[in-house]
Amino acid sequence: GAVVSQHPSRVICKSGTSVKIECRSLDFQATTMFWYRQFPKQSLMLMATSNEGSKATYEQGVEKDKFLINHASLTLSTLTVTSAHPEDSSFYICSARIWDRDYGYTFGSGTRLTVV
Amino acid sequence: QKEVEQDPGPLSVPEGAIVSLNCTYSNSAFQYFMWYRQYSRKGPELLMYTYSSGNKEDGRFTAQVDKSSKYISLFIRDSQPSDSATYLCAMSDAGNNRKLIWGLGTSLAVNP
Repeated sequence: GAVVSQHPSRVICKSGTSVKIECRSLDFQATTMFWYRQFPKQSLMLMATSNEGSKATYEQGVEKDKFLINHASLTLSTLTVTSAHPEDSSFYICSARIWDRDYGYTFGSGTRLTVV
Repeated sequence: QKEVEQDPGPLSVPEGAIVSLNCTYSNSAFQYFMWYRQYSRKGPELLMYTYSSGNKEDGRFTAQVDKSSKYISLFIRDSQPSDSATYLCAMSDAGNNRKLIWGLGTSLAVNP
């Protein structure tokens, strides 16, 4: 149980276009979602925390106008990378908080974004 | 100083070896300690979870937490080639948000 489905797994886009990444909780309600990015051989870097029905909280240094997060329902959170540039190429991972478990985080399988 | 320190390796061991992975941390408020395994281009998967100090065993995996030394460990017995992955430690305090603080990850290769 507690599966998060993340799509797409890989995407290549042209510089200047926007890309949307979706994360769906399949068998539970995700009131809180976390969005991470990970560069090669680096750890996960938290970008933002989203709570259903409210604005996302962004970490310092993350541009909220560039990385748009929408968490309009209890089962869906999206991250849109707007006006993507090659330096946005990275591995993006979502994670949902599971409130009935102390260790309650489940992760999506990640999205490999390549901006050309 | 980073809140969580983890040697990135890489670590290479022969099949069947005992593997020891470690993290140190500086924030005494951390109460929840986790080890995740991440295969290449995949999301992390939870291996072990420990609350506060002590040991926890699950099959070939043992997690240890020493809060007095601010040091956590993951031991893998009888390591297998399928254990080859990156192992990340993560921890959080007991607050409502429970934001995870991550180690850099240790790359492990188990050679047949």
